[in-house]
Amino acid sequence: GENVEQHPSTLSVQEGDSAVIKCTYSDSASNYFPWYKQELGKRPQLIIDIRSNVGEKKDQRIAVTLNKTAKHFSLHITETQPEDSAVYFCAASIGYGNKLVFGAGTILRVKS
Amino acid sequence: DTEVTQTPKHLVMGMTNKKSLKCEQHMGHRAMYWYKQKAKKPPELMFVYSYEKLSINESVPSRFSPECPNSSLLNLHLHALQPEDSALYLCASSQDKKTGILGEQYFGPGTRLTVT
Repeated sequence: GENVEQHPSTLSVQEGDSAVIKCTYSDSASNYFPWYKQELGKRPQLIIDIRSNVGEKKDQRIAVTLNKTAKHFSLHITETQPEDSAVYFCAASIGYGNKLVFGAGTILRVKS
Repeated sequence: DTEVTQTPKHLVMGMTNKKSLKCEQHMGHRAMYWYKQKAKKPPELMFVYSYEKLSINESVPSRFSPECPNSSLLNLHLHALQPEDSALYLCASSQDKKTGILGEQYFGPGTRLTVT
């Protein structure tokens, strides 16, 4: 079936460094790729997304890149801050209906 | 306004109880979702409603019964649950893919359910 693999499962960085989280997907019909941030005890919060007609999208310190040929997409966070510490989930739409498949998540720790 | 609300925030129920979870959005979204999330795991899709009709049921046990009374409301009726059903239940909404584009999904704060 459709699946999304996410790596790494945990990531520790020093404050000010960059963090990169990578996902691969299996459904060639996937065309929408959101990223969610979930702090402890809170709801998943949409932080950035990308559609298949673009290769990169930026929003301040956050960027997402998409390689449709390789079925890869990545989240890049620059100048990390302690408040970036959270679990990050990638997701991909599948070819029919209103459905997202989520990656297993990455625990990001930013050390100050 | 990108807010989805859910009630109650917390729920403790016995295995013989019947309870309901409620979700509301006023963003004009016509797709609504129920997810189950266990600790340190991603949200797991349970049900999808499209224009108030059930469009996806991810083989969820019948002790979970969804209902969409109107375009703003989504309920999840619970009956005879098991302890392993204890989890965070998240509601979400989005623009429906029938409009041509799968819209951004916005999550509610969730209901923390404990089955004793």
